[in-house]
Amino acid sequence: DAGVIQSPRHEVTEMGQEVTLRCKPISGHNSLFWYRQTMMRGLELLIYFNNNVPIDDSGMPEDRFSAKMPNASFSTLKIQPSEPRDSAVYFCASSPFGLGANTGELFFGEGSRLTVL
Amino acid sequence: KQEVTQIPAALSVPEGENLVLNCSFTDSAIYNLQWFRQDPGKGLTSLLLIQSSQREQTSGRLNASLDKSSGRSTLYIAASQPGDSATYLCAPYNNNDMRFGAGTRLTVKP
Repeated sequence: DAGVIQSPRHEVTEMGQEVTLRCKPISGHNSLFWYRQTMMRGLELLIYFNNNVPIDDSGMPEDRFSAKMPNASFSTLKIQPSEPRDSAVYFCASSPFGLGANTGELFFGEGSRLTVL
Repeated sequence: KQEVTQIPAALSVPEGENLVLNCSFTDSAIYNLQWFRQDPGKGLTSLLLIQSSQREQTSGRLNASLDKSSGRSTLYIAASQPGDSATYLCAPYNNNDMRFGAGTRLTVKP
């Protein structure tokens, strides 16, 4: 299994530009999570999906952030317009189990490092 | 909202020592708890997953324990090696929400 695949691995953009981060979860996994990691705030949960449906997006910082999961094998996190304070590493993770499951081991991708100038 | 605390924030030990990393959480109604390792510039690698019905899990030199009632978990690393140097994070899981501690940055000196 290839694991969780994220792209791009690194992105440098200018303030105001649109940024799209992509994630391919492990095949067969029901749940997908987007996290953001910064030195100041550590790992923060942004949004998670179960069976392609957004379950909780309360962690999404602002309306500038949006996430979609059009099918079981693909998800995007979009920032429009981007700001310097959005600079962080964005991680995607997937889990083989669904709502309320008493397991839920999480597998992470390598992350997308975003720098907004 | 679940709050997760990890102590110590950083730890430096000589090679060969046994060590304990601590994790505490505020909401004990968890389904499981996972320990991860993160190397600089890398993603998180799952080390151990403890189900809520279990009290501990072991993998090689690693042993993790869970005390749900007191909201605590420990990760024990035996005979530490320089390759164990990394940041270790714990993450209790409940209601489809996995919150992370800030981690313990471990340095094992040769």
